[in-house]
Amino acid sequence: KNQVEQSPQSLIILEGKNCTLQCNYTVSPFSNLRWYKQDTGRGPVSLTIMTFSENTKSNGRYTATLDADTKQSSLHITASQLSDSASYICVVSARAGGYNKLIFGAGTRLAVHP
Amino acid sequence: GAVVSQHPSRVICKSGTSVKIECRSLDFQATTMFWYRQFPKQSLMLMATSNEGSKATYEQGVEKDKFLINHASLTLSTLTVTSAHPEDSSFYICSASGTGDGYTFGSGTRLTVV
Repeated sequence: KNQVEQSPQSLIILEGKNCTLQCNYTVSPFSNLRWYKQDTGRGPVSLTIMTFSENTKSNGRYTATLDADTKQSSLHITASQLSDSASYICVVSARAGGYNKLIFGAGTRLAVHP
Repeated sequence: GAVVSQHPSRVICKSGTSVKIECRSLDFQATTMFWYRQFPKQSLMLMATSNEGSKATYEQGVEKDKFLINHASLTLSTLTVTSAHPEDSSFYICSASGTGDGYTFGSGTRLTVV
């Protein structure tokens, strides 16, 4: 069964600190993995997208890694800001019937405190 | 970048009435559009997938007669919640995909049925 599991479920950090969010998946056939940021009451916004051959990708203070062998990904946030408070969702694409089917993780709710 | 506009952002309706939510791709042609539902503190749940000019494919457990989806053009898809009931109150989000591998989400619609 295609699944995406994220940890931790929620996280509180102080402003300026770094943090790492985890994503483990069992999805086949794997197409790509995306990290999204979702502010409360808003739609998800793409942070990174990685294919099978990519190990790391950065977007400003966000750096995503992918280990396709262990089927794990992480999202590292550097020098956190109050505006980083949001849910971070790991989404894995599985190729099915000619198009990609997205499998969503439950998300990690990050709260950055001053 | 790709932009998806979703309207309205919030709607309150009386029980028994119908509500239409629009999803527009502003700067690209969306061959496929997806509709999701999200309950508080949970991740997105796919309701249906629609390809322009054809009938939508609904996920198991989603009533197609209650959630009417129309994708009549390459830039517009609509979701109509018919005979709405309080249990239909939720956050509804669309996403659109063009010829590439990207998925762009709308900003979501908060539906409250009273």
